[in-house]
Amino acid sequence: GAGVSQTPSNKVTEKGKYVELRCDPISGHTALYWYRQSLGQGPEFLIYFQGTGAADDSGLPNDRFFAVRPEGSVSTLKIQRTERGDSAVYLCASSQGVPGAGETQYFGPGTRLLVL
Amino acid sequence: KQEVTQIPAALSVPEGENLVLNCSFTDSAIYNLQWFRQDPGKGLTSLLLIQSSQREQTSGRLNASLDKSSGRSTLYIAASQPGDSATYLCAVISGTYKYIFGTGTRLKVLA
Repeated sequence: GAGVSQTPSNKVTEKGKYVELRCDPISGHTALYWYRQSLGQGPEFLIYFQGTGAADDSGLPNDRFFAVRPEGSVSTLKIQRTERGDSAVYLCASSQGVPGAGETQYFGPGTRLLVL
Repeated sequence: KQEVTQIPAALSVPEGENLVLNCSFTDSAIYNLQWFRQDPGKGLTSLLLIQSSQREQTSGRLNASLDKSSGRSTLYIAASQPGDSATYLCAVISGTYKYIFGTGTRLKVLA
């Protein structure tokens, strides 16, 4: 595709439910990132994949959050037992190489999650 | 721990004004710094990427500078237009891949 896509664009769920958020990166991009953006804040790093493996998951807030990228392309962020504090915009980004080498991350439009 | 601060948090200017957005960071050991634009309900659009060896980058009416030693970057917007209204985010790239964002400056350009 032309850019990073995320589905759904909006998700409303009830406290305690399980949700899955999907990210389709730019074709050929080996690196994929998830961020969370709370209202009025900048995005915060959650997890970084290089290929199929999670190279850095240090930003995941707790063990209710989990992400996979089984074939090195599409990624799914999974949240168990959702809490109201999980309400935020979840952003996905991808890059061809690592930003430290001058490669930029390309961001998707985000999934707006609301936990009631 | 790297912290990124953006000042001002919000800014409202009349059309045509030149303006400066500020970004400061606490750890000068960064790889790159990048400025993004975010429109309401939308993702992030990259504006300018400054590598750590560079002092500035320009694109059209935008100019971004970087002073690593003082932990500062500025984004200069010339001849502002209503279409420039958005939130502007500064991000430092700490390590080789981790973006650390500021809280953004919400800009409104009045027609």
